[in-house]
Amino acid sequence: EVHLVESGGGLVKPGGSLRLSCAASGFTFGSQTVTWVRQAPGTGLEWVSSITASSSYIYYSDSAKGRFTTSRDNARNLLFLQMNSLRAEDTAVYFCARGGGYFDFWGQGTPVTVSS
Amino acid sequence: DIQMTQSPSSLSASVGDSVTITCQASQDISNYLNWYQQKPGKAPKLLIYDASNLETGVPSRFSGSGSGTEFTFAISSLQPEDIATYYCQQYDNLPRTFGQGTRLEIE
Repeated sequence: EVHLVESGGGLVKPGGSLRLSCAASGFTFGSQTVTWVRQAPGTGLEWVSSITASSSYIYYSDSAKGRFTTSRDNARNLLFLQMNSLRAEDTAVYFCARGGGYFDFWGQGTPVTVSS
Repeated sequence: DIQMTQSPSSLSASVGDSVTITCQASQDISNYLNWYQQKPGKAPKLLIYDASNLETGVPSRFSGSGSGTEFTFAISSLQPEDIATYYCQQYDNLPRTFGQGTRLEIE
């Protein structure tokens, strides 16, 4: 059974940093593109970043570009999102999801709050 | 960026009704269109991929159609457990973009 479990969220001050992790199991992680999607409180879904299986290609939304870095460790079945220079508007639940086109499995999400 | 416009933004219907949600893309996206269901406090769940393909395990009362810029998502015989927000999402181009969501309530 496919499982994705995010961790690392929390409260951080504006300008601060946070590193999210997503632990994957139940599928061949190293063969799949994986994606970060976020959802600000009371709003819709926003694609943040996708990384291909071997990390050859990493894509970012305009809002993430230059501040966020996506990486993965296929040996440990882990996906990461390093978030720097955080802003209030980055406050959201961050989901990891399997896939790059359609997202067929999702984690439960980890909340990030950026506030002083 | 490709803009995805869903309508209506909210919808109220009775158990047993048929409901339809539309999604319009700002440019031709062929059939690279997916539909998700999200219940409060939960992660989204993929229902339909490539416009009309039912994800494994999803009840057959859910369906999708369309291509190009106009897409339709339908639920036949609405069930109480279908209360959720529904999103369309395109993957013809980066960035991947979602519609704003349609909140479905039961009357």
